[in-house]
Amino acid sequence: DSGVTQTPKHLITATGQRVTLRCSPRSGDLSVYWYQQSLDQGLQFLIQYYNGEERAKGNILERFSAQQFPDLHSELNLSSLELGDSALYFCASSPHYTDTEAFFGQGTRLTVV
Amino acid sequence: DAKTTQPTSMDCAEGRAANLPCNHSTISGNEYVYWYRQIHSQGPQYIIHGLKNNETNEMASLIITEDRKSSTLILPHATLRDTAVYYCIVRVEGAQKLVFGQGTRLTINP
Repeated sequence: DSGVTQTPKHLITATGQRVTLRCSPRSGDLSVYWYQQSLDQGLQFLIQYYNGEERAKGNILERFSAQQFPDLHSELNLSSLELGDSALYFCASSPHYTDTEAFFGQGTRLTVV
Repeated sequence: DAKTTQPTSMDCAEGRAANLPCNHSTISGNEYVYWYRQIHSQGPQYIIHGLKNNETNEMASLIITEDRKSSTLILPHATLRDTAVYYCIVRVEGAQKLVFGQGTRLTINP
C-alpha cells in the first residue's frame, strides 16, 4: 500500500459526459502528479501540483483540468469525454517540489462507452 | 530527458537472479537512472535510482557502467511476485515528471 488513495476505482460513462477523479496523497506529501495510461500511449504525464499551485504540465488535453485543494487532495476533471479517453488514470505524490521517488495510487479505470 | 532502450520481454526462473539491461547512451552528466515497475495494471512502484555508483537496497541492485551509457537492474532471487513491467527512466535531478518508455515485461517462471 503506497498510501495514495484514488477514487473511484472504476468508472463507466458515456461520450460527451464529464467526470471527476479524486486523489488523496500520502500524509505530508505536498506534490501530486497525474498520469494517464492507455493501451496505445503507455504511461503519460499529465500535470503536477505542489501545495495548491500548478507546477508542471505535460500532455494534458484542454478538455481536462485539475486542481489541488488546501487539504492537499487533488481532483482531475475530464469533460466532453471521447472513446479515446478510456484509460487508467494514476495519481502519485511526493513530499516536496521535486523528489527522487514518487508513490503511485492504484489508479482509476475509466471506460467511455 | 535522455532516451532509454530496453528489451521488450524477458524470462527468468524463480529463485534465480533476474538481470534487466537498459541502454541510455545519450545520458547527460546530471541525469540519474531510475527504475520503476508496474505489476499488472497496478500503480508503478519505485525500485531504485543512481547517478554513477552502484546502488543496492532491499529490493534490488543497480549496476551502472563506468561510461554511464548502460545499466543493469538485478533482482537477486526472483519470485513469482516479481513478474511485472520494469521501466528504466533517465531523469534530471529535480525534474518534475517521469517519462516512461515501453519497459521490459519480465516473467518469472516456476
